[in-house]
Amino acid sequence: GQNIDQPTEMTATEGAIVQINCTYQTSGFNGLFWYQQHAGEAPTFLSYNVLDGLEEKGRFSSFLSRSKGYSYLLLKELQMKDSASYLCAVPPSGDYKLSFGAGTTVTVRA
Amino acid sequence: DTGVSQDPRHKITKRGQNVTFRCDPISEHNRLYWYRQTLGQGPEFLTYFQNEAQLEKSRLLSDRFSAERPKGSFSTLEIQRTEQGDSAMYLCASSWVGEGGVDEQFFGPGTRLTVL
Repeated sequence: GQNIDQPTEMTATEGAIVQINCTYQTSGFNGLFWYQQHAGEAPTFLSYNVLDGLEEKGRFSSFLSRSKGYSYLLLKELQMKDSASYLCAVPPSGDYKLSFGAGTTVTVRA
Repeated sequence: DTGVSQDPRHKITKRGQNVTFRCDPISEHNRLYWYRQTLGQGPEFLTYFQNEAQLEKSRLLSDRFSAERPKGSFSTLEIQRTEQGDSAMYLCASSWVGEGGVDEQFFGPGTRLTVL
């Protein structure tokens, strides 16, 4: 199975930067996904990392270290609309279904 | 394309009743997934289909749960003899899995089930 750990909550100020860490243990590795989920809504895809390093997409970046079983999602220039839960997910090796972490609730304050 | 849709969005039922949910995936997607999510947790995998074939069922899916995707398009998830522990958000997701591609799953808005 998969063990996926991420912090429960984080709070930051509008315009600031927040880094959400995710550690995982899997029997194999088939990439790591980050999803954003606003309260009462469906998760939406943010990023996918399969190779080590940083992937940048606008204000959001995602980093992966396979040897350390570690990823982070970096949110820059925070806006109020970024207040949401951020879910780290990994598919088991050779499979496509996702195992999700419990999610990190980010609250952006003015 | 309007994305993944689910119906109903909310369902309140009494313990012991049967309920059925429907999911319409993005039309060209060949994979369809069902997940369950409770408050403060990430989604938990229940089952998935490749076209009309059900390829895997989680052990979370007791024999009271059944899912179908009869023509490889829409899917239904039925829960028989509902229990209060079945109260959750039921999410459907779909994806196109091709050769060597990324399986980006697109989620529907979910059906929130409350069992009284």
